[in-house]
Amino acid sequence: DTTVKQNPRYKLARVGKPVNLICSQTMNHDTMYWYQKKPNQAPKLLLFYYDKILNREADTFEKFQSSRPNNSFCSLYIGSAGLEYSAMYLCASSSPGGAREQYFGPGTRLTVL
Amino acid sequence: GDSVTQTEGQVALSEEDFLTIHCNYSASGYPALFWYVQYPGEGPQFLFRASRDKEKGSSRGFEATYNKEATSFHLQKASVQESDSAVYYCALSDGSWQLIFGSGTQLTVMP
Repeated sequence: DTTVKQNPRYKLARVGKPVNLICSQTMNHDTMYWYQKKPNQAPKLLLFYYDKILNREADTFEKFQSSRPNNSFCSLYIGSAGLEYSAMYLCASSSPGGAREQYFGPGTRLTVL
Repeated sequence: GDSVTQTEGQVALSEEDFLTIHCNYSASGYPALFWYVQYPGEGPQFLFRASRDKEKGSSRGFEATYNKEATSFHLQKASVQESDSAVYYCALSDGSWQLIFGSGTQLTVMP
């Protein structure tokens, strides 16, 4: 079973309000990722967990937070949403090691008004 | 930094046409190269990968050959079907956890 689930599938948020997105995977993968995808752009890596270690990209360090309470679940948290956060958020997981294929969830479409 | 370029933003074909989607990369090392496909309402799905020069990756009738000299990994299929309509992403990994994606190519196949 190569399933990655994301909740909710659609999220509407007000400017300045917090947003919490959830991801789960059943493959016992050590590594979980969050990407941001905007129209006509490549998916952009925001952060990833290897086991319990969080790695955040330098340019998103202060904008996004995450937690991983157990191996199967991972959240993405935005403390104060801005209009620029409107995008598709994709969660993925992979087995450990570099250059591994990643398995993606269906995404959460976030609209900030 | 490393990057992936897909020159075609959109490709429109008829069923049984030959498909080529161009992918070129720029990397300081010797990256692994990937193709992913994304159908409407779903996340990207791994299609195949190649890790060495002249290695051919293939799946579901799609194929691409790693060309280190040309820094390319072009996706091809001999005869497309309407069900192949999707967004195709080329990506690379330098051996770290990060996948660097191209901007994607929307393939539309008309019956």
